[in-house]
This record gives sequence, structure tokens and C-alpha cells, in this order.
Amino acid sequence: AQSVAQPEDQVNVAEGNPLTVKCTYSVSGNPYLFWYVQYPNRGLQFLLKYITGDNLVKGSYGFEAEFNKSQTSFHLKKPSALVSDSALYFCAVRPSGGYQKVTFGTGTKLQVIP
Amino acid sequence: GAGVSQTPSNKVTEKGKYVELRCDPISGHTALYWYRQSLGQGPEFLIYFQGTGAADDSGLPNDRFFAVRPEGSVSTLKIQRTERGDSAVYLCASSLLGGGAVHEQYFGPGTRLTVT
Repeated sequence: AQSVAQPEDQVNVAEGNPLTVKCTYSVSGNPYLFWYVQYPNRGLQFLLKYITGDNLVKGSYGFEAEFNKSQTSFHLKKPSALVSDSALYFCAVRPSGGYQKVTFGTGTKLQVIP
Repeated sequence: GAGVSQTPSNKVTEKGKYVELRCDPISGHTALYWYRQSLGQGPEFLIYFQGTGAADDSGLPNDRFFAVRPEGSVSTLKIQRTERGDSAVYLCASSLLGGGAVHEQYFGPGTRLTVT
């Protein structure tokens, strides 16, 4: 069975500093990986995805993520955090190929301190 | 353009009652998903529609839960004989399908269901 682990319930970072939100996964075969962000009282919004190719994926709002197959990780990063980045971040995985259901992690709350 | 909408935004019901939750996907999105999100958890898959048919309902917790999408657009999640454990936020998402691409899902704001 596929699974996602987000080991940190909360990450605190000072505004302007780089941020990393960790994600590791388990799936049969090659993975498709996703990051979503959830702002209070709003639906999840897609940030970026890894399907194949370049291990560094760039997404919305200056976020990027690095796929590491040997470590089965897909950490979310941003070079310089903004207060407006404060939100709940979810990593998700599904096996490659035709339809496969997506499994989400439990989420990491990012708090950017002014 | 219009995103995924869900109604109602909040629903309070008594234990044992029947509820219906509605989802309006993005126009042209063939795929539709229902998830349930409890406090402190990520979305938990319930059911996936490809057009009008339920292609994967393996996440429905029991036979009290049922969902339909009769015309391939709007979907309704139906819960019979509600229990307090059904209290959660129910999320709907839609996406494009096929074309050789892997499409991300677009989520609605959710319906917060509280069973008293």
C-alpha cells in the first residue's frame, strides 16, 4: 500500500530565510508526487508535481521540490520565505500509470515569523 | 473561471439523520473525487468518478455512504443514518482526464459536517 510521511507537524521559519518542508513516500513502482497548500477556510491549492525527468521541479509562488529516488523523498523548498506563505502544506503520492488513487500526508503547518 | 464549488459550506445534523452534500466541478473536468478530512489529518480518499460512473469507490467506509454523478457534472455524496464519527470536512475535487498527461486536482472549499 502506498503512503506518505510528513515528519514535522509544524515548521517555523523567519521571514526571508529559506524553508524546507519534508516529505517521504512509499509506493509500488515509480511515483507521481504532488504538493498542495491549504489556507484557512479555503480549499487545497495545487503547488507543483513530479512526473518524470528533472529531479528539481518548480511550481507556483516561488516554491520548488526535489525528488530523490534513493531516499524516497520529495521535500518542498523556497529560497526566501514570506509571511503570506504561512499555511498548511500537504504532500501526496500515487503510482505511475493509468488511474491510481492519490494518498495524502497528514500535513505540515508552516509558520513564517515576521 | 469558476472553481469547484460545494454546498452547503456547513451542515449540522442529528445522529441518525440523512444528509446530502453537493459538488459542482469545474466545467469540462471529467474526473471527480470525494475526500474526507478529519482534524489534523490529510484528505482521505472516498470515491472517484470518471464521467457518470464510479470508477473507484474503495474508500467509502461502509454502505451508509453513497455518491452519484448522473449527468457527469454535479455530484452528490449521500450519507444515511449519520453517526458522530462522520463529522469531518468533506472535500470535492475535479480534474481533466487523459490526453497523455497527469493532471492535478482542483479542490473545492469543502463542506463541514457536524453530527450531534
